[in-house]
Amino acid sequence: GAVVSQHPSWVICKSGTSVKIECRSLDFQATTMFWYRQFPKQSLMLMATSNEGSKATYEQGVEKDKFLINHASLTLSTLTVTSAHPEDSSFYICSARDGQTYEQYFGPGTRLTVT
Amino acid sequence: AQSVAQPEDQVNVAEGNPLTVKCTYSVSGNPYLFWYVQYPNRGLQFLLKYITGDNLVKGSYGFEAEFNKSQTSFHLKKPSALVSDSALYFCAVSPISGGYQKVTFGTGTKLQVIP
Repeated sequence: GAVVSQHPSWVICKSGTSVKIECRSLDFQATTMFWYRQFPKQSLMLMATSNEGSKATYEQGVEKDKFLINHASLTLSTLTVTSAHPEDSSFYICSARDGQTYEQYFGPGTRLTVT
Repeated sequence: AQSVAQPEDQVNVAEGNPLTVKCTYSVSGNPYLFWYVQYPNRGLQFLLKYITGDNLVKGSYGFEAEFNKSQTSFHLKKPSALVSDSALYFCAVSPISGGYQKVTFGTGTKLQVIP
């Protein structure tokens, strides 16, 4: 089946630094990728949707200058958390939609801890 | 706007007993319905989906779900629960339409299977 990878799986950084999270579709081309944030014991909150080669569409309330999303190729999207603060600590999950089947596959998630 | 309701935060069931995790939805037009499972500190794993056809959908790990259009429900079921089924379960919906289809998740139901 289709596989989506995320790297890193866990990252700890100091307040004020920036962190980049990669999301890759390993065996299919993802025309659309989604970035979600999940707080403890809560559901997934869609942060943004990115289409290959175009600017991401951010959900209401999500700061686009803080959460930079790049979808440079059909297999890679990146989320950069700029000037991270402790309140950005969360579990970030990406998903990728297969351009042919429209199935959506999820990555394993990245746990970000900002100290 | 589309929405998903999972009325139970937690469901407890004895091992070997049948289990049901409830989900109701609201969407414009016909729905595309999903169930995902999440283990601690992991991403979401796809269980099953409904798009059209038979109302009873069979998925991974012995799970199945029944689509009921009149009740706008898509309850997850399994005839005999295993301890290893203990996890967090998410129901999700998106409209069936051309172009971008935003997927909305429920708040999740924690399933606890008691040995």
